[in-house]
Amino acid sequence: GAGVSQSPRYKVTKRGQDVALRCDPISGHVSLYWYRQALGQGPEFLTYFNYEAQQDKSGLPNDRFSAERPEGSISTLTIQRTEQRDSAMYRCASSLGGARAPLHFGNGTRLTVT
Amino acid sequence: AQSVTQPDIHITVSEGASLELRCNYSYGATPYLFWYVQSPGQGLQLLLKYFSGDTLVQGIKGFEAEFTRSQSSFNLRKPSVHWSDAAEYFCAVGPGGFQKLVFGTGTRLLVSP
Repeated sequence: GAGVSQSPRYKVTKRGQDVALRCDPISGHVSLYWYRQALGQGPEFLTYFNYEAQQDKSGLPNDRFSAERPEGSISTLTIQRTEQRDSAMYRCASSLGGARAPLHFGNGTRLTVT
Repeated sequence: AQSVTQPDIHITVSEGASLELRCNYSYGATPYLFWYVQSPGQGLQLLLKYFSGDTLVQGIKGFEAEFTRSQSSFNLRKPSVHWSDAAEYFCAVGPGGFQKLVFGTGTRLLVSP
């Protein structure tokens, strides 16, 4: 079956522009997670949803970052007024829900801010 | 706060040789522990997990890991490495299970002929 799909695969944007990154989870998966991975680092938690409800957004670095999942399926991570330090791989994962349900990661979106 | 340390940035192993990747964690209680593998251009794939019980856990692709509470370690092992095992390996701790994982910085495994 289809895995977690992220688009675009690559995004190059100029500093100050807004970007929207999309995640299409595995069908039927209740939970959806966003992680950010800087070069040479491990993934860092940003936020997660159960259905359409944002359960934890403690990892969002500042108020330029926001995420939504309005219908409990596809999610969008938006970064406003991008800065060079936002350059990273943004990874989405989904699961069946609950603490013991494994995360299934997508291939990520590589964001470069010039 | 929880943290994970992977002391080896790179490791080179000959094909057929055994492998051990080190992972140490910092957490006040018994954590949930994980190992993930990331191949170039791919997403992260779960190799194995530890929640409770037997401290030696088996995973996919012939990997195993041992939880040692006294050393706060969760080291990954494989008896005989294959060239296809070349990838980056991440150890992670999850105070709430799979939710809100804290990852280490990763160890890149190179396999020589």
